[in-house]
Amino acid sequence: EAGVAQSPRYKIIEKRQSVAFWCNPISGHATLYWYQQILGQGPKLLIQFQNNGVVDDSQLPKDRFSAERLKGVDSTLKIQPAKLEDSAVYLCASSLEVRTGGAGAKNIQYFGAGTRLSVL
Amino acid sequence: DAKTTQPPSMDCAEGRAANLPCNHSTISGNEYVYWYRQIHSQGPQYIIHGLKNNETNEMASLIITEDRKSSTLILPHATLRDTAVYYCIVRVARSNDYKLSFGAGTTVTVRA
Repeated sequence: EAGVAQSPRYKIIEKRQSVAFWCNPISGHATLYWYQQILGQGPKLLIQFQNNGVVDDSQLPKDRFSAERLKGVDSTLKIQPAKLEDSAVYLCASSLEVRTGGAGAKNIQYFGAGTRLSVL
Repeated sequence: DAKTTQPPSMDCAEGRAANLPCNHSTISGNEYVYWYRQIHSQGPQYIIHGLKNNETNEMASLIITEDRKSSTLILPHATLRDTAVYYCIVRVARSNDYKLSFGAGTTVTVRA
């Protein structure tokens, strides 16, 4: 089974430029997540999609970050304009929706390798 | 979701069991304990989860105390490839709400 694919693996930009990251989840996974991981910290959820609808974007800095998931499959995360503090690894994850009592706890997230962004 | 406390780092010898502690003293009755790990330059990887019973799979064992205020992840025979950051996460099982709240985790170094 193919895993979560992300591209590019690395990106270097200057502040105030824009950048986009792409994610292809595991086939059949309805839920997709974007996390930001700053060096030395655990990942922090930015946005969660259920099919092509947003479930939670409370931690997404909406003045500069945007994300979409067209047709409930691939997703893109964009930053415009980038700031120095956006330097981080951006991780995409996907999971399979399990709609039974208690089994909701068996929702396992599968992560991609991430995109490392450096803003200079 | 309940907060967890883990030691920042620990070493263990290759071939020996590694016991990783996690405190979650404010855990609620409907919150599960999850463990993920993150090997350098990779995304986090699911290891195991449990509610109140001890659990075992091909990767590890999870021991949860009777009062559920703490748990221990056991890697039975640590190898060099088990060197990683290990995250203990407590999460409510709610439909459509599966987000994981990661702390800083425990950096485990397996030494030959």
